[in-house]
Amino acid sequence: DTGVSQDPRHKITKRGQNVTFRCDPISEHNRLYWYRQTLGQGPEFLTYFQNEAQLEKSRLLSDRFSAERPKGSFSTLEIQRTEQGDSAMYLCASRFTSGNEQFFGPGTRLTVL
Amino acid sequence: SQQGEEDPQALSIQEGENATMNCSYKTSINNLQWYRQNSGRGLVHLILIRSNEREKHSGRLRVTLDTSKKSSSLLITASRAADTASYFCATDGAAGNKLTFGGGTRVLVKP
Repeated sequence: DTGVSQDPRHKITKRGQNVTFRCDPISEHNRLYWYRQTLGQGPEFLTYFQNEAQLEKSRLLSDRFSAERPKGSFSTLEIQRTEQGDSAMYLCASRFTSGNEQFFGPGTRLTVL
Repeated sequence: SQQGEEDPQALSIQEGENATMNCSYKTSINNLQWYRQNSGRGLVHLILIRSNEREKHSGRLRVTLDTSKKSSSLLITASRAADTASYFCATDGAAGNKLTFGGGTRVLVKP
């Protein structure tokens, strides 16, 4: 257990539905990252926050995706109108700005039917 | 997109043997990190090597970095069944310190 928690751990949804995931980082960490990992591949960067500010978004983050970190603590990742191609593991990580290591949560596995 | 490639994609060894995996990357880096992932779980940080370092050790792990060749290797000595996992290299190129991962090496250690 790294101290980063994610909820839910698993989500099965039907195509076209909206889903929201939550990440609780280690409390002192001011940077929070979201990654997506498909089967057999390495994680790919989606977006990151410095406190409550979203500083970078990957091209992978289409208009259907939105992420927030309203108080600089927990973060949510919402996918609207899910597609089968959104099926993946969504990983959250946090770190100190001045640190090096990112601490990963256990991930949320999304299956879109 | 993935930063680079890992080689081999899969590795099967007997307990007690050493496991070596390689990682290549494409752009300049601040540091390179190795992570382990057990099936369907999150990633666990193993070791970090800075761009000005050439070799680093941590327990049974040895990492090398050759910035001229843009490559790194991870050696696990005296492997154990519990080392069975996927291993990923990840580069930190500074901008936001986001990590760019390779495709991973799946290691199976047979008892």
